[in-house]
Amino acid sequence: GQNIDQPTEMTATEGAIVQINCTYQTSGFNGLFWYQQHAGEAPTFLSYNVLDGLEEKGRFSSFLSRSKGYSYLLLKELQMKDSASYLCAVRRTAGNKLTFGGGTRVLVKP
Amino acid sequence: KAGVTQTPRYLIKTRGQQVTLSCSPISGHRSVSWYQQTPGQGLQFLFEYFSETQRNKGNFPGRFSGRQFSNSRSEMNVSTLELGDSALYLCASSLRGRDSSSSETQYFGPGTRLLVL
Repeated sequence: GQNIDQPTEMTATEGAIVQINCTYQTSGFNGLFWYQQHAGEAPTFLSYNVLDGLEEKGRFSSFLSRSKGYSYLLLKELQMKDSASYLCAVRRTAGNKLTFGGGTRVLVKP
Repeated sequence: KAGVTQTPRYLIKTRGQQVTLSCSPISGHRSVSWYQQTPGQGLQFLFEYFSETQRNKGNFPGRFSGRQFSNSRSEMNVSTLELGDSALYLCASSLRGRDSSSSETQYFGPGTRLLVL
């Protein structure tokens, strides 16, 4: 199966923390990526997880649990510029194809 | 190091026409993937090329085709355009696209926005 689920939209306040969840079916898993996409722009790479656990990169952290088919992206100290869509993508073992979730639109309010 | 470049950035075509889009990957990257992004379907994988060979293919009709040249540059072609082909077409490149390491991240170009009238 190829289903990747993430919430459609989230709203948070500047300076706060937001957690975006992503669930996927686990067959043939070979890595999970998070991308940020501002309106009208291309997706930009944020993080990559292939082993269980937390990867921290400045204000952004990503967590993976392969047994649960679950990941989250944590955005800390939110800034207005973080208003964007966040895309969860899974790579399967067969090749380099990425399957994307529908994206989560995050709106940061003052 | 320059990023992924795509040309043209914007294109308007009419139904029935055909279109060719171009992608130049990051220098040294040999894998090029193409994706279609629409508001209704999100980002969907079209195909991937590596060493001038199509290595993976998504669930798109045969009207969508592509190729890769010896310098890793890639083109995709859509024939007999339909209104539903209006979308942002994104190209992404990665080094080899085989190993499960962070070096195999796919980096996206700015996209070509195609409008079919």
